Order: sequence, then structure tokens, then C-alpha cells
Amino acid sequence: GENVEQHPSTLSVQEGDSAVIKCTYSDSASNYFPWYKQELGKRPQLIIDIRSNVGEKKDQRIAVTLNKTAKHFSLHITETQPEDSAVYFCAAPGEDGGFKTIFGAGTRLFVKA
Amino acid sequence: DAMVIQNPRYQVTQFGKPVTLSCSQTLNHNVMYWYQQKSSQAPKLLFHYYDKDFNNEADTPDNFQSRRPNTSFCFLDIRSPGLGDAAMYLCATSRDLRVLNSPLHFGNGTRLTVT
Repeated sequence: GENVEQHPSTLSVQEGDSAVIKCTYSDSASNYFPWYKQELGKRPQLIIDIRSNVGEKKDQRIAVTLNKTAKHFSLHITETQPEDSAVYFCAAPGEDGGFKTIFGAGTRLFVKA
Repeated sequence: DAMVIQNPRYQVTQFGKPVTLSCSQTLNHNVMYWYQQKSSQAPKLLFHYYDKDFNNEADTPDNFQSRRPNTSFCFLDIRSPGLGDAAMYLCATSRDLRVLNSPLHFGNGTRLTVT
């Protein structure tokens, strides 16, 4: 089945620095890649997503890049702030025709003030 | 605001005592999901409903069942909770079954403790 690998598992940055989280997927037919942010004790929330027909998408301080050839996509957070501290999950559609969301294992991001 | 609402926020049950968690949505989405999440691991899909059609994940224990009496409500029944079932249970919805352009909308979750 579809496999989504996410790295690193933990990331610590200084406030104001950039953070990059990387994911790889196995199904070359995957066409949609959402990113979810989960703050401590709260629900996962979609923060950005990208479709396979574009290579990059930006929304203020966050951006996602997609390399279809290499089958990997990355989340970039610039000018990090303490409120960016959370667990981030990448995801991709399952190989069952895209009817299931396959999550990466998550990255715990710490932003130090 | 349209949203996914889970009750209760915290639930304590005894080992082997049946428990029901509830979820409601005002998004009018076709699909409702139940996920189990432990210790900041990725959410693990238990089952989902597409309208009235129920789909169980292959590795979901028989101890877990679900009901969806109407579009807005979905319930998770744990028939005989074990200590290993202590977790956060997340309800989610999506507009359509295909993941493309149909991201998940999660509720705030119910944290289940089994004593």
C-alpha cells in the first residue's frame, strides 16, 4: 500500500529561523498532498495543500514544494514564531484510488523564543 | 460556524464497560471518519461512513463499532474497552470520498481513559 515517510521526527529551531519538513511517498499516481498542524491537546487542522499539477504553493509564511519525479514534498515555514510549535503531519492519498488519507508519522516542531 | 463537534471532551470508563463517543457535524459532508490517536502518533483510521455505507479498516478490532443514524451524527461504540484502548478519538468529515480536494475536518477529539 501507499507509504508516506516523514523526516525529521523532531525539529528544534530558534525563533525567526526557517523550518523544513520533508516527506516522501511511494505511489506515483498520488495527486494531492495536504499538511496538517496539530497543537498540543488540539485537533489536526489543514494548513496548506498542493495538487500534483503545481510545483509550489505559498500562503504567507508557509509554503509547500512538490517534486513528482523524486516523489517527495516539503513544508517550509519562514520566520518561525513560538505559536508555530506543534506536530505537523504530511499526507497523501492511498493507493486504493485515492479514497484514504495516508499520514506521515509526524514532526514535532519546537520554536525557541 | 460550520464545524465538527465531539462529546464528551474527556471520557473515563472502566475496563470492560461499554462506552459510546459521539460526533456531530454542521458541514453537511458526505463522509464521516473515526480515528484513534495515541501519544502524538499519526491518526489511525478505524472506519468511515460514506453516506450510509460503512467501511471498516481491516485491522480495526471487532471491539469497535460505529453507527451513523443520519447525515449529521456518528457514534463510536467500544463494546469492552481494554487498557490499550485508552487514546484520543478523533472524528473527521470530508465533502467527498476521494482525498483530492476533499481535506479532512477534524473535531476536537474525545480523550478516553480506561481504568
